[in-house]
Amino acid sequence: AQSVSQHNHHVILSEAASLELGCNYSYGGTVNLFWYVQYPGQHLQLLLKYFSGDPLVKGIKGFEAEFIKSKFSFNLRKPSVQWSDTAEYFCAVRRYDTGFQKLVFGTGTRLLVSP
Amino acid sequence: GAGVSQSPSNKVTEKGKDVELRCDPISGHTALYWYRQSLGQGLEFLIYFQGNSAPDKSGLPSDRFSAERTGGSVSTLTIQRTQQEDSAVYLCASRDSSGNTIYFGEGSWLTVV
Repeated sequence: AQSVSQHNHHVILSEAASLELGCNYSYGGTVNLFWYVQYPGQHLQLLLKYFSGDPLVKGIKGFEAEFIKSKFSFNLRKPSVQWSDTAEYFCAVRRYDTGFQKLVFGTGTRLLVSP
Repeated sequence: GAGVSQSPSNKVTEKGKDVELRCDPISGHTALYWYRQSLGQGLEFLIYFQGNSAPDKSGLPSDRFSAERTGGSVSTLTIQRTQQEDSAVYLCASRDSSGNTIYFGEGSWLTVV
């Protein structure tokens, strides 16, 4: 069965620090990749997505992610975090062999940015 | 409506009772998903509906869980004989026709006491 791994369950950073959240998946075929964010008390929102093409994807709010096929990874990055980035971040994957229908999530990473 | 609508937003029920959670997807979205979000467990896929195709029920944790989607629109997730471990936020999502973006509702927070 496919799994999506997010290595860090909790991350604490100071404002202006750089962020990298890891995401790995275990399927060897073609995938669509996503990062979602859930701010406190709010619903899940799409940060960015990768389907094909340039493996470096730019999202909203200064986030980016890089797809490295050889490493089965799609890590999320931001050069300088803000207090307002405090949220839970979820990586998600859709597989070609399910017709890209079923979206499977990782367990999430809780980010706390201290002012 | 403008987004995915779920009701109730909060539900407290006694162990052993049945509950129904409702999802009203974005108009015109043919695909609908149910997920469960538990503390420390991330988002767990439950069931997926696509048009008139048979639903993908592979994520339902037990036969106490069922879901239906009437008329290709509104969906109801039913949990029979609720247990304390069913306490979680149940999230519904729908996908646009291009298949690219999934939109989530705000969830139904279920507490079984």
